[in-house]
This record gives sequence, C-alpha cells and structure tokens, in this order.
Amino acid sequence: DQQVKQNSPSLSVQEGRISILNCDYTNSMFDYFLWYKKYPAEGPTFLISISSIKDKNEDGRFTVFLNKSAKHLSLHIVPSQPGDSAVYFCAAGGGADGLTFGKGTHLIIQP
Amino acid sequence: DTGVSQDPRHKITKRGQNVTFRCDPISEHNRLYWYRQTLGQGPEFLTYFQNEAQLEKSRLLSDRFSAERPKGSFSTLEIQRTEQGDSAMYLCASTGLPTGYTFGSGTRLTVV
Repeated sequence: DQQVKQNSPSLSVQEGRISILNCDYTNSMFDYFLWYKKYPAEGPTFLISISSIKDKNEDGRFTVFLNKSAKHLSLHIVPSQPGDSAVYFCAAGGGADGLTFGKGTHLIIQP
Repeated sequence: DTGVSQDPRHKITKRGQNVTFRCDPISEHNRLYWYRQTLGQGPEFLTYFQNEAQLEKSRLLSDRFSAERPKGSFSTLEIQRTEQGDSAMYLCASTGLPTGYTFGSGTRLTVV
C-alpha cells in the first residue's frame, strides 16, 4: 500500500510558465511534508517543507500548498527555469520515524 | 564540506559477498537514517538511530542487513551474502538543527 502517491511520472512545462507537481497521501498521522529534488547520481536535495498546521509555505519561486481535508499537497514553481529539470519527490513524516516517499515526478522544462 | 558524506560512491560485488557502507552525518545532528532507492521508486526507509541507539527498523531490513552507529557518530550498513535484489542506491540522511533533514549522495550497489 502506497501511503504517498505521485500519480504523474513525468511533466513537461515550457520555460517561464508555472510547474505544478501533485502529491496525495493516505496516512492521517503524517504531520509534516517535504519536497525534494534529485539529479541523477546524487542524493535528494531538500527544497521546501510544510507542517500540518499550515496550508501554504513559500520560498522564492517555490510554493507548497497543503489541503489536509483532501490529503493533497502540491508544489508550484514559478517561473520555471531549465535548471529545474529533475525528479521531484514528495515525502511525508510523523514523529521521529523515517520519511515515506512517493515515486517521484520527472519534471522537464522545455526552452 | 559539512554535509552528509557516504563512502564508497559505487560498489560492485559478486553475489554472496559481504559489503559495508559508511555514512558520516553532519556533526551536530543526532539522528541518522538509512534509506534504499531502487529504479523508478522513491527512497524507502530502512532504519534510524538516535545517537548510538537504533530505534526503528523497517521490515525491508532482512536479517542479512545490519547497521551500527558506535559512539553516535558515523554509521555503517553491512549486507551479508548479497543477492541481486540488493542492487540499489543506499542513502544516508541526518537531521537536526540548523539544516534539518539532509541526505548524502548515496552509495550505488551493483550485485553481479
């Protein structure tokens, strides 16, 4: 059973437009959520996080939205840049245990 | 470099051999995690340490796997009698102030 789901394996967006990556979760015990970016042959790099007491967190071009009732979060990147091309993982956690990751979405920014 | 470092970056081994990986966390972090990532999947939690105590182990961690964190600093992950299904990227992460959850670059294991 997948507790964190990223239903889009890939997403192609034109440079300068908005990229929206989606993530759904099933475990209501999760109380914080993170987005990671991963380039080939590297470990995941932290992008942005949100705790369950908030519904929005913004950091520069990256904004994460959390809809607790729908158990859904999304990452918005605006404007999208060529360097944003990577695999993006949604992760969720509760307490000190390890994070639960989705399978990732490969974002491709087209010039 | 004050990030999480993992050694080696790549390891090729024959089936049945034992392998050991090392992780050096950020020195201020007291929690250390091991994850495994296979192709097309996100990282999967294996185990974690609070200082030197191993507090949680995933069902993915069969009895061929053992992890240690002596003295609460670096950690090692050993896989005995490797199988082809063990081929994966093994990621280490540490967490704490001020950087939060930080991953290393991983050790890519190939079992032939």
